Amino acid sequence: AQSVSQHNHHVILSEAASLELGCNYSYGGTVNLFWYVQYPGQHLQLLLKYFSGDPLVKGIKGFEAEFIKSKFSFNLRKPSVQWSDTAEYFCAVNAKQAGTALIFGKGTTLSVSS
Amino acid sequence: GAVVSQHPSRVICKSGTSVKIECRSLDFQATTMFWYRQFPKQSLMLMATSNEGSKATYEQGVEKDKFLINHASLTLSTLTVTSAHPEDSSFYICSASFSRGGTYEQYFGPGTRLTVT
Repeated sequence: AQSVSQHNHHVILSEAASLELGCNYSYGGTVNLFWYVQYPGQHLQLLLKYFSGDPLVKGIKGFEAEFIKSKFSFNLRKPSVQWSDTAEYFCAVNAKQAGTALIFGKGTTLSVSS
Repeated sequence: GAVVSQHPSRVICKSGTSVKIECRSLDFQATTMFWYRQFPKQSLMLMATSNEGSKATYEQGVEKDKFLINHASLTLSTLTVTSAHPEDSSFYICSASFSRGGTYEQYFGPGTRLTVT
């Protein structure tokens, strides 16, 4: 069975600090990888996704993530966070086949102080 | 494109009553739809997977007689919470999947907040 582990439960940063959120997955086959963001009181938004090709993926709002197959990792990064990045971040994975659901990590709460 | 809607966005019901939540893919035909629930400050937990015209597949621990899923068409799936109790209060989110360029993308609805009093 697939599982997703997010190492950081709550991250607190000042504006302009760099961000890296860890994500590791467990699955025997090939996967698609995703990062979603959920702002307070809002629904999920897709930040970025990896299906194949270049393991460094760029998403919206200046976020990027790197897929390292040997480490089963897909860490999210942003060089300089803003107060508006305060949100919940979820890593998710699904198997590369039709009809498979996304499995989510427990999420990381990011708090950015101005 | 690829918009998924849910109705209602919020619902309050009394304990013992049933509540139906609709999930629609507005501009595409979804081969598969998924239902998740999210408790406050927690992650999304998959409840069930449904394909049009067939019975839903429920995750372990999810009562299929309590959470009835009907996938009537390629654009509509409904979740009915039967005999709701306060512990069913949660945020219910659906997603819809379709093939695009050989990959299967999932798009999430905005969620439905259910409060059972």
